[in-house]
Amino acid sequence: QKEVEQDPGPLSVPEGAIVSLNCTYSNSAFQYFMWYRQYSRKGPELLMYTYSSGNKEDGRFTAQVDKSSKYISLFIRDSQPSDSATYLCAMSAGLTGGGNKLTFGTGTQLKVEL
Amino acid sequence: DAGITQSPRHKVTETGTPVTLRCHQTENHRYMYWYRQDPGHGLRLIHYSYGVKDTDKGEVSDGYSVSRSKTEDFLLTLESATSSQTSVYFCAISGTADQPQHFGDGTRLSIL
Repeated sequence: QKEVEQDPGPLSVPEGAIVSLNCTYSNSAFQYFMWYRQYSRKGPELLMYTYSSGNKEDGRFTAQVDKSSKYISLFIRDSQPSDSATYLCAMSAGLTGGGNKLTFGTGTQLKVEL
Repeated sequence: DAGITQSPRHKVTETGTPVTLRCHQTENHRYMYWYRQDPGHGLRLIHYSYGVKDTDKGEVSDGYSVSRSKTEDFLLTLESATSSQTSVYFCAISGTADQPQHFGDGTRLSIL
């Protein structure tokens, strides 16, 4: 079983819909949580970065972390065709050894249709 | 965009040949990371560096070596490439250990 589980999709929604993307994890040591967006043939682009539990909002994006359930979510409001991409969750326990080692989900492919 | 340049962007080579990928950053960040991305596996850490000449192994380090002789450059070497190392390789950087990592646009490597 993988440390981080993420539904690969694809997820198809109409323009303007609210999108919910989720990841579950098994390692209780994780305390940093990230969401990245990746367009085809490009590198992951950081969307949200949170520490510990709680909510964080940035424009149309809201990230939620529930450490008691080992569950994180990303909500996208008023979705646009330009949001069509693969969304990756990532998490880490912080500084271990010499660096901050991220563990990624496999990504959820999202398509927002006109 | 974080100032990260990966080279080459694409490479096709044969099994058994040595391959070196380069990550160059203009941010003067201390931490640099190499990941590979494969279908069904997501991104997995190969090696990372926490300073000049300071490197350590990640989750999938077998068959790879790294070097960092300058802050701005982090090299990933496949000493004798195998077909299982066909992948997309990403470099990431961060200023401190608890800052988020920012990624380059990757190198697509095919080993025939």
